[in-house]
Amino acid sequence: DIQMTQSPSSLSASLGDRVTITCQASQHIRDQLHWYRHKPGHAPDLLIYDASNLQSGVPSRFSGSGSGTDFTFTISSLQSEDIATYYCQQNYDLPLTFGGGTKVEIK
Amino acid sequence: QVQLVQSGAEVKKPGSSVTVSCKSSGGTFNTFAIGWVRQAPGQGLEWIGGIIPILYAPNYAEKFHGRVTIRADESSRTAYLELRSLRSDDTAVYYCARGGRELATTHYFASWGQGSLVTVSS
Repeated sequence: DIQMTQSPSSLSASLGDRVTITCQASQHIRDQLHWYRHKPGHAPDLLIYDASNLQSGVPSRFSGSGSGTDFTFTISSLQSEDIATYYCQQNYDLPLTFGGGTKVEIK
Repeated sequence: QVQLVQSGAEVKKPGSSVTVSCKSSGGTFNTFAIGWVRQAPGQGLEWIGGIIPILYAPNYAEKFHGRVTIRADESSRTAYLELRSLRSDDTAVYYCARGGRELATTHYFASWGQGSLVTVSS
């Protein structure tokens, strides 16, 4: 199985801050890496697909980059509605696997 | 606009089985994968398996092999997850989610159901 390692596991930031999360795959996965926001009590939302493509309707403050084994997810200006846990997910191979999550809180 | 509506919460005894349904509306049903993902209390997201309805053949995560069946009914546009021999650590919110690429066995999840809480307790 492909292991996805996210860091940090949690972070605290102020509104308007730039937030960066990383995800490392245990093997090369090309650009088959996606990012989700998961708010408590809600279903996850797809934000970024194929490492850097913004899902339709998602605000442009979200972005992603990377290829191979190392990926980065950025929120350019943290908003209150971004308080959530963020997950990366690979679809290079079955089983589909997720990172352990990054919980984003307000400082 | 694809919408996935799941069945309601269930409380089950250890050793029993549960079936969760996921009804799809909008978009094409047959050629996009429906996957199942769960989140246990305090834990992250875990893929259970998925199916592309028109291809019939489901895929399962190894840890669930022998205990899980995923199927899809094209006429009612509904996918089902059956989990057997339930244990307390199967307590989780179970989500169905639609794949983002047509006829892709591996995929991202573009649309999600609202989640179904399954509680396993004696």
